[in-house]
Amino acid sequence: GAVVSQHPSRVICKSGTSVKIECRSLDFQATTMFWYRQFPKQSLMLMATSNEGSKATYEQGVEKDKFLINHASLTLSTLTVTSAHPEDSSFYICSARSRGGFNEQFFGPGTRLTVL
Amino acid sequence: AQSVAQPEDQVNVAEGNPLTVKCTYSVSGNPYLFWYVQYPNRGLQFLLKYITGDNLVKGSYGFEAEFNKSQTSFHLKKPSALVSDSALYFCAVRDVNDYKLSFGAGTTVTVRA
Repeated sequence: GAVVSQHPSRVICKSGTSVKIECRSLDFQATTMFWYRQFPKQSLMLMATSNEGSKATYEQGVEKDKFLINHASLTLSTLTVTSAHPEDSSFYICSARSRGGFNEQFFGPGTRLTVL
Repeated sequence: AQSVAQPEDQVNVAEGNPLTVKCTYSVSGNPYLFWYVQYPNRGLQFLLKYITGDNLVKGSYGFEAEFNKSQTSFHLKKPSALVSDSALYFCAVRDVNDYKLSFGAGTTVTVRA
């Protein structure tokens, strides 16, 4: 149990286009989902926290108009990178926090975004 | 505020030898501690966690970690490393009163045959 999926796993896009990444909790309900960004050989940096049905909370320095987050249901959150530029190229990882018990975070497999 | 330090960027060991990956943490309250492993272009895989109770925690793939409150450490260990253990390892902490995880910088483990 506790599986989190991300789609797509890889995406290549042209500069100026927008890209949507989906994060789904497959077998549990996630009250909260987190979006992280990871540069090569570096740690995960929390970008934002999204709660189902409410606005996302962004970490300091993360542009909310650049990285749009929607958490429409207890099993789905989306991250849209708007007007992507090469510097947005990165590995994006989501995690989902389960509703009950310990409220542990379960991580998705990540999405590799390359902006040309 | 909470933070994690992984003092070693890289750890190299020979297959069959013991493996240790170091982690120290800082939290204002009581800590929840985690170890994750990441293979290239993959997400994080959970190895083990400490919440409360026995200071020695056993996890997946033969890994274990010992919580040491006085030294604020949570070092990851494996008695006999395998080549397949070569990966990037992250230590993470959260305060019991918070839901956000803070990650260390990561330690690249290379196990040579």
